[in-house]
Amino acid sequence: DAGVIQSPRHEVTEMGQEVTLRCKPISGHNSLFWYRQTMMRGLELLIYFNNNVPIDDSGMPEDRFSAKMPNASFSTLKIQPSEPRDSAVYFCASRQGGSFPTDTQYFGPGTRLTVL
Amino acid sequence: EDQVTQSPEALRLQEGESSSLNCSYTVSGLRGLFWYRQDPGKGPEFLFTLYSAGEEKEKERLKATLTKKESFLHITAPKPEDSATYLCAVIYNFNKFYFGSGTKLNVKP
Repeated sequence: DAGVIQSPRHEVTEMGQEVTLRCKPISGHNSLFWYRQTMMRGLELLIYFNNNVPIDDSGMPEDRFSAKMPNASFSTLKIQPSEPRDSAVYFCASRQGGSFPTDTQYFGPGTRLTVL
Repeated sequence: EDQVTQSPEALRLQEGESSSLNCSYTVSGLRGLFWYRQDPGKGPEFLFTLYSAGEEKEKERLKATLTKKESFLHITAPKPEDSATYLCAVIYNFNKFYFGSGTKLNVKP
């Protein structure tokens, strides 16, 4: 199994540009989670999906952030427009079973985003 | 105020020197507490889930325990490969999920 796949691994962009982060969960997993990690705030849950449906997006920082899961094997996290304070490592995780994050979440390698 | 605090922030041990990491929490309606390991440049890797006070879980040199106020991750005779950041996370109040800031462990040979 290839594990959770995220792309790109690194992204450098300028303030105001649109950024799209991509995630392919482990095949057969029906729950998907997006996290953001910074030195100041640690690891934060942004949004999670169950069976491709967004269940809770209360962690999304503001309207500039949006996430979609058009099918069971693909999800995107979009930031438009991006700002320097969005610089962070963004992780995607997936699991099989109930929607809420509990044990046995499998994390991807992350996307390091730098907004200049 | 709901809080999850991990201590110490950093810990340096000699190989074989046992110690414990702490995760204290002040949340209402705890549903579960989790320990993860995170290596540099990688995503967190799940270690344990604890659901109720008194519960213990073990895996190799690691043992996690839970009380009504805190959890400990005991590391027995650590090896350099145990060096990582250890994160705890809690689920509480039905659907709130929160990670602590982590303890960075460095085990010297």
